Amino acid sequence: NAGVTQTPKFRVLKTGQSMTLLCAQDMNHEYMYWYRQDPGMGLRLIHYSVGEGTTAKGEVPDGYNVSRLKKQNFLLGLESAAPSQTSVYFCASTRGGSPSGANVLTFGAGSRLTVL
Amino acid sequence: DAKTTQPPSMDCAEGRAANLPCNHSTISGNEYVYWYRQIHSQGPQYIIHGLKNNETNEMASLIITEDRKSSTLILPHATLRDTAVYYCIMVPGGTSYGKLTFGQGTILTVHP
Repeated sequence: NAGVTQTPKFRVLKTGQSMTLLCAQDMNHEYMYWYRQDPGMGLRLIHYSVGEGTTAKGEVPDGYNVSRLKKQNFLLGLESAAPSQTSVYFCASTRGGSPSGANVLTFGAGSRLTVL
Repeated sequence: DAKTTQPPSMDCAEGRAANLPCNHSTISGNEYVYWYRQIHSQGPQYIIHGLKNNETNEMASLIITEDRKSSTLILPHATLRDTAVYYCIMVPGGTSYGKLTFGQGTILTVHP
């Protein structure tokens, strides 16, 4: 089925370790997003991309880096994980830029990260 | 980006209509009102969107006030499966598209 795939689904890290979350979409969407969601909280935008080779900061970008080398993939990296980065991470994508406003976001199932 | 204000939580009896409000007093002319919901930590799902006219689909109805400063999502016959967090967000149309931020949303609890 077409959609947004996130890997891994679960990961446990120790403080200071690094890791990369992968988001892949097969819908030829231009725009991609990374959000984090802490318990009982809403979604907070980390970084986003408006096209291949571009990235931009969201609301909470510190401690994260991203890359969009291929249109279908959006990578989220943690260089030195901290317990405060324990969260569920959601990736989303959309065609975007529709004059009619039909810019529906498609979300992945989430990646649950625990930093000890 | 326009900011939205939603009540933190609401209750609804099964079979009754659920009316979820959203204030977006700083909405700009090219911004659409979108609603998503998130069921039990799954990825959010699209429900409905509109610009200035009322909209209806198989899931819900969206009522937007004439001045566009607020809107209401209506689930006409709520079921237990509609228990979720509901998000109202503003999405620019056309070439100004880009950054998309979500607020805290409204936790809707449907009870028997």
